This record gives sequence, C-alpha cells and structure tokens, in this order.
Amino acid sequence: SQELEQSPQSLIVQEGKNLTINCTSSKTLYGLYWYKQKYGEGLIFLMMLQKGGEEKSHEKITAKLDEKKQQSSLHITASQPSHAGIYLCGALGGGSNYKLTFGKGTLLTVNP
Amino acid sequence: KAGVTQTPRYLIKTRGQQVTLSCSPISGHRSVSWYQQTPGQGLQFLFEYFSETQRNKGNFPGRFSGRQFSNSRSEMNVSTLELGDSALYLCASSSPAGGRTNEKLFFGSGTQLSVL
Repeated sequence: SQELEQSPQSLIVQEGKNLTINCTSSKTLYGLYWYKQKYGEGLIFLMMLQKGGEEKSHEKITAKLDEKKQQSSLHITASQPSHAGIYLCGALGGGSNYKLTFGKGTLLTVNP
Repeated sequence: KAGVTQTPRYLIKTRGQQVTLSCSPISGHRSVSWYQQTPGQGLQFLFEYFSETQRNKGNFPGRFSGRQFSNSRSEMNVSTLELGDSALYLCASSSPAGGRTNEKLFFGSGTQLSVL
C-alpha cells in the first residue's frame, strides 16, 4: 500500500520567514493534494498537482510536484500567523482505487 | 454554495453502544468518502460511495458500515463501540469535474466522537 512521509513533523517559524514542507511517496504519484487543517476541524483544500513538474501558487503558498522523485513540496513565503495549522499531503493510488492516502501531517506554528 | 455538512459536531457514547453519523455533500457531488482521524494513526480511509454504491473500502472491521441515499447524503454507522473508536470522523465529497484523477475532495468539519 502507498505511504506518504511528511517532513518535518513540526515547524516553528518567526512571522515573515519562508518555510518548506516536503511530502515523499513510497509509490508512483497519480495526483498529489495539499490540505490545511485547524486542530479538530475539517480539511481545507489548498492545491492539487497532477503532472510531473507542475507548480501551483495560491497567495503566498506554492506547491510543486517532482514525479520522478515521487515527491512534492509546499513552500510558504513571508509566513503569517494565519498560516499556522496542520498541513497534510494526500495522494491517489493507482488502479481502481478511489481513496486518498494521507501523510501524518506537519504542524506549523508561526510566532508573531 | 453550501459546503459539506456533518452532523452532529460532537458525540459522546459509551462502550458497546452504536452511533450513526450523517454527511450531506456539496450540491451536485455524487461521491462521498469517510475518513477516521486519530492522533496516532492520522487520517485513514473508511469507505467511499458513489451513486449509492460502495466503490472502495478501507481496512476497518465490519462494525464500521455506511450507506448513501439517492440524494447523495451519506451515513456511517459504528456498532458495538470500543474506546479506540474515539476519533474525528471526516466526510468528504468530490467535485463533478470528471475522472478519478481530477477529483478534488472537499471536507466537512467532522464529527468528534468520544467513547467512554
């Protein structure tokens, strides 16, 4: 079964600093999703990447997919307290599988 | 457009009881998935329904079951509750955009189940 490993597990940054979160898959990626979650709440969709080399941005968040490395990165520029939360990557498996497999998440704290 | 709605938001049950959770997907979405989230295991897939049919099932015991109605609303049931079933249960519905690889999942706020 597919496994996703996220690094780091947690991150504390000062407001205004840039940061990167990585997500590495044990198998080929057919689609990679990034979500953000506030503790005890639902997941907020950030971005979906489907093709190798694809890069998407939304406000100050940029995500890239390296299909060959089976890896994706999420980069936040000039972090703000509003960026704090748990970031989760999720991936679709191959075949007729309709489920998303998620990483364990990265807890981001942004200190003002 | 209303998002994915899950009810109830919080639930407290005792061991041995059963529980039913409800999920109303985004209007027009026909696929509904259920996930269990715990601090130790993270997010784990329970099952997915499309047009009232279960298309895929995760590795959970038979005590966990679900169904989908003709209006795409879905319910999941857990019978004979155990302490380990305490978790945040999340429901997600998918965009009608097209094939499997284009499915964005939109999540509800979840039902926090505590089993005492």
